[in-house]
Amino acid sequence: AQKVTQAQTEISVVEKEDVTLDCVYETRDTTYYLFWYKQPPSGELVFLIRRNSFDEQNEISGRYSWNFQKSTSSFNFTITASQVVDSAVYFCALSEDSNTDKLIFGTGTRLQVFP
Amino acid sequence: GAGVSQSPSNKVTEKGKDVELRCDPISGHTALYWYRQSLGQGLEFLIYFQGNSAPDKSGLPSDRFSAERTGGSVSTLTIQRTQQEDSAVYLCASSLAWGGGNTGELFFGEGSRLTVL
Repeated sequence: AQKVTQAQTEISVVEKEDVTLDCVYETRDTTYYLFWYKQPPSGELVFLIRRNSFDEQNEISGRYSWNFQKSTSSFNFTITASQVVDSAVYFCALSEDSNTDKLIFGTGTRLQVFP
Repeated sequence: GAGVSQSPSNKVTEKGKDVELRCDPISGHTALYWYRQSLGQGLEFLIYFQGNSAPDKSGLPSDRFSAERTGGSVSTLTIQRTQQEDSAVYLCASSLAWGGGNTGELFFGEGSRLTVL
């Protein structure tokens, strides 16, 4: 069965601190896709990244970086030099279906960045 | 507008009443998804449409829940005889989809918050 675990329910940091959001997944498939979405207070989820299971390269996009490790079934998300605008709920998700965008989401991590 | 539009944004109803939630996806997006977000829970998949057909409705919690999509565009999620445990935010998302591939980028609406008293 597929499952996504985000053990951190809530994280609080002060602006400019680095913060890592953890994501652990379970799947029996060898081909799968991992995602991160951001849900700001407005409620509308925003896509951040997709990674397929054959690509273990880490990715960096500005202050955001992702560390995918198949050996530990983890796909962690790091925000460098956090800002107040980063405050949101962040969801990690998994898909085993290459023909749809049906995602299995974790329970989310609420990040609060204080000035 | 250019994004996914959902209505109503807030709905308060009494237990036992029926409710309809509407989703207007991004123009040209053939795939449409309904998710439910309950307090303290992640997003729970309900149903997926490709065009007007629903190849996967495995997430619908009970037969009180149904959904339809017409004209390959607007979708309606109907909950009959609402119960208090149905209280949640119902999120709709759409995506470009073609056979044999996925983009992974779902475009979400702001959701419909349902409160059942």
